[in-house]
Order: sequence, then structure tokens, then C-alpha cells
Amino acid sequence: AQKVTQAQTEISVVEKEDVTLDCVYETRDTTYYLFWYKQPPSGELVFLIRRNSFDEQNEISGRYSWNFQKSTSSFNFTITASQVVDSAVYFCALSEASSAAGNKLTFGGGTRVLVKP
Amino acid sequence: GAGVSQSPRYKVAKRGQDVALRCDPISGHVSLFWYQQALGQGPEFLTYFQNEAQLDKSGLPSDRFFAERPEGSVSTLKIQRTQQEDSAVYLCASSLSVPGNLYGYTFGSGTRLTVV
Repeated sequence: AQKVTQAQTEISVVEKEDVTLDCVYETRDTTYYLFWYKQPPSGELVFLIRRNSFDEQNEISGRYSWNFQKSTSSFNFTITASQVVDSAVYFCALSEASSAAGNKLTFGGGTRVLVKP
Repeated sequence: GAGVSQSPRYKVAKRGQDVALRCDPISGHVSLFWYQQALGQGPEFLTYFQNEAQLDKSGLPSDRFFAERPEGSVSTLKIQRTQQEDSAVYLCASSLSVPGNLYGYTFGSGTRLTVV
């Protein structure tokens, strides 16, 4: 069975500090996809990134970067120079390619990030 | 439409009442998912449709929960005889592809159900 663990429930930082969110996953599949979503107070889930299991290159998008390490089953997310608008709950999620359920997402419990001015 | 639309945005139901939650996916999206998000937790899978076919309903917590997508577009999640533990945000997501993860998933803003 697939499982995603986000050990940090809440992180509080001061604006301009960097913040790293940890994500550890479990799966028996060799082909799978990893996602990060942002959930602001308004409630919708905003897609940030999708990474497949065969692509271990780290990725940077503006102030966001992701570190995928298959050897440790981790897919960590870093926000550089945080801003107040980054305050939200962030979810890591896993989708197995072999799932019959259209590749349903299994989410972690989320990490609440609070950026103080 | 431009995004996934869910209605109502908020629903308060008395315990024992039946409710119906609507999801209007992006036009042309084949895959449709329902998730339940309890307060302070991550979303949990309820059910999956590929067009009008419900291919997986393994996440539905009880036989009081029922979902349909009769014409392969709009979907309705129905909860009969609501109980307090049903209080949660119900999220709908759609995807252009089968499997859904090829092009990612677009989520609606959810329906917050409160059972009193």
C-alpha cells in the first residue's frame, strides 16, 4: 500500500528565511508520480509540481525547489526567501502508475507554513 | 468551464438529513475523483470515475455514501442520513487523461459540510 509521511505539522519562519518541507513516501511500484500542492486559506489545492519516479533531477522554479532522492524515498520542497503569501498548508502526494483507480492520489498529512512579516 | 466548480460552497445539515454535493469538472476531462478532507488532515480518496463508469469506490466510508456521473460530465456525491463524522471538506478533482497523473489533476474549491 502507498503511504506519504510529512513529519512536520507546522513550521513558522520570519519573512525572507528559507524553509524546507520534508516528504517521505512508501510504494511497491517502480513507476509512480510525486506531487506537491499548496492549499491557501481559501481551500483549493493549487498544483506546484509533478515528478515521475524515473526523473531524479532536482528542479527549481523561481523561489521553489525540489529535491527528489529515490534512495531515501524522499521528495523535499524548499521555499527560498519566504514571503507572507507563502503562508499555507502544503501537501505532498503520491500516485502509483499501476493503480486501477485512475492513479488516485495518496496525500500526506500536510505541513502548515506560517511566514511572519 | 475554466476550472472545476463545486456547489454548494458550504452546507450545514442536521444529523440524519440527506445531502447532495455537485461537481462540474473541466469540459472534456475524462477522469473525475472525489476526496474527503477532515479538519487538519490531508485529503483522502473516496471514488473515481472514468467518463460515466465508476471504476473504484473503495474509499467510500459506508453505504450511506453514493456517487454518480451519469453522462460522463457533472458528478454528484450523495450522503444519506448524515452523521457528525461526515463533517469535512469534500473535494472534487478532474483530469484530462487516463491515467490521471499524465497531465495532473485540477481541484475544485470544495464543499465544506458541517453536520449538526
